[in-house]
Amino acid sequence: AQSVSQHNHHVILSEAASLELGCNYSYGGTVNLFWYVQYPGQHLQLLLKYFSGDPLVKGIKGFEAEFIKSKFSFNLRKPSVQWSDTAEYFCAVKGGSSNTGKLIFGQGTTLQVKP
Amino acid sequence: GAVVSQHPSWVICKSGTSVKIECRSLDFQATTMFWYRQFPKQSLMLMATSNEGSKATYEQGVEKDKFLINHASLTLSTLTVTSAHPEDSSFYICSAAGTGVASGQFFGPGTRLTVL
Repeated sequence: AQSVSQHNHHVILSEAASLELGCNYSYGGTVNLFWYVQYPGQHLQLLLKYFSGDPLVKGIKGFEAEFIKSKFSFNLRKPSVQWSDTAEYFCAVKGGSSNTGKLIFGQGTTLQVKP
Repeated sequence: GAVVSQHPSWVICKSGTSVKIECRSLDFQATTMFWYRQFPKQSLMLMATSNEGSKATYEQGVEKDKFLINHASLTLSTLTVTSAHPEDSSFYICSAAGTGVASGQFFGPGTRLTVL
């Protein structure tokens, strides 16, 4: 069965610090990988996604993620966080290439950025 | 961009009553919609996959007779929580999967259900 594990449950950083959130997945076949962000009181928004090709994916707001197939990982990074990045971050995996396949979410990481 | 709306955004009901939540794709057609449940400070748990014109596919452990899903058109899916109880209180989120320029899954803002 597919599963997603996010290593960090709660991360606290100061502004300008670098960020890396871990995500590992379990799935035997082709996967599509996603990072979503949920700002306080708002709905989920897509940060970035990996389907195929370059394993280093760049997303919105300066975020990027690297797909390392051998490690079943898809870690999210940002070189310098801002207070406005305070939010809940979810890694998700979708098996196969169908656009209508179901997403399996990790447990989420709460990021708190101190000004 | 692709927008998904949910109505209502929050609802409070008495135990034993039924509540209907609507999920609409506003500017694209969605053959597939998904319903998730999110408990406080927890992740989204997929409840069911809804395909237009056919019966929903429920995840293991989700009672299909309690959580009725109808996907009557390419832009509307509804989730009805029947005979709601306090343990059904949660945040219910839908997503809609589009194609073409709206390729991907797009999430609604969620509905906060509180059962007294």
